Amino acid sequence: GNSVTQMEGPVTLSEEAFLTINCTYTATGYPSLFWYVQYPGEGLQLLLKATKADDKGSNKGFEATYRKETTSFHLEKGSVQVSDSAVYFCAPDDGGSQGNLIFGKGTKLSVKP
Amino acid sequence: SAVISQKPSRDICQRGTSLTIQCQVDSQVTMMFWYRQQPGQSLTLIATANQGSEATYESGFVIDKFPISRPNLTFSTLTVSNMSPEDSSIYLCSARGTSGSPYEQYFGPGTRLTVT
Repeated sequence: GNSVTQMEGPVTLSEEAFLTINCTYTATGYPSLFWYVQYPGEGLQLLLKATKADDKGSNKGFEATYRKETTSFHLEKGSVQVSDSAVYFCAPDDGGSQGNLIFGKGTKLSVKP
Repeated sequence: SAVISQKPSRDICQRGTSLTIQCQVDSQVTMMFWYRQQPGQSLTLIATANQGSEATYESGFVIDKFPISRPNLTFSTLTVSNMSPEDSSIYLCSARGTSGSPYEQYFGPGTRLTVT
């Protein structure tokens, strides 16, 4: 089945720094790809998604591009803020008919002022 | 979009007891799911809650330990039975919407369970 490998955390950055969180997946087909964010004490929220090769998902200044050739979906933001401190999960679907999500281990981001 | 609420938000329980977690969605959804998030870990799918029929469990999870109900399109319950400290986790309800491509998946705020 499909699987996902996500950059280990924690990641600590200063405000306005550039962020990259790496995510690679293995799949037999072309899964849809998602990034979810979990703010402290809250449930998961969909951050962005991409459904086919070369698609770029974007939201709140975050971007990720579906790279079929490298089976990657790295999350980037040009200038992080303290409010971006959260845990980020990469999640491809499992390629099955129900499209269940497979979650990476999560990367905790802390942004210092 | 769908808004999901869960009750209780947290609980501390004694080993050997059971806890039922309720999940309410504010709109009709096609699929509902239950996940477990152990401390510092990622999410693991427990089961898919099927309306009017038995839930579909993932490998490693069984109905006797995690009975699930889904009496209608907007409500589901998860029971954690005969609890042990290893069951201490956050339990998350999730639902898949009926719009967007692919269908978006929404999550509740979670129930933080501590078993002593």
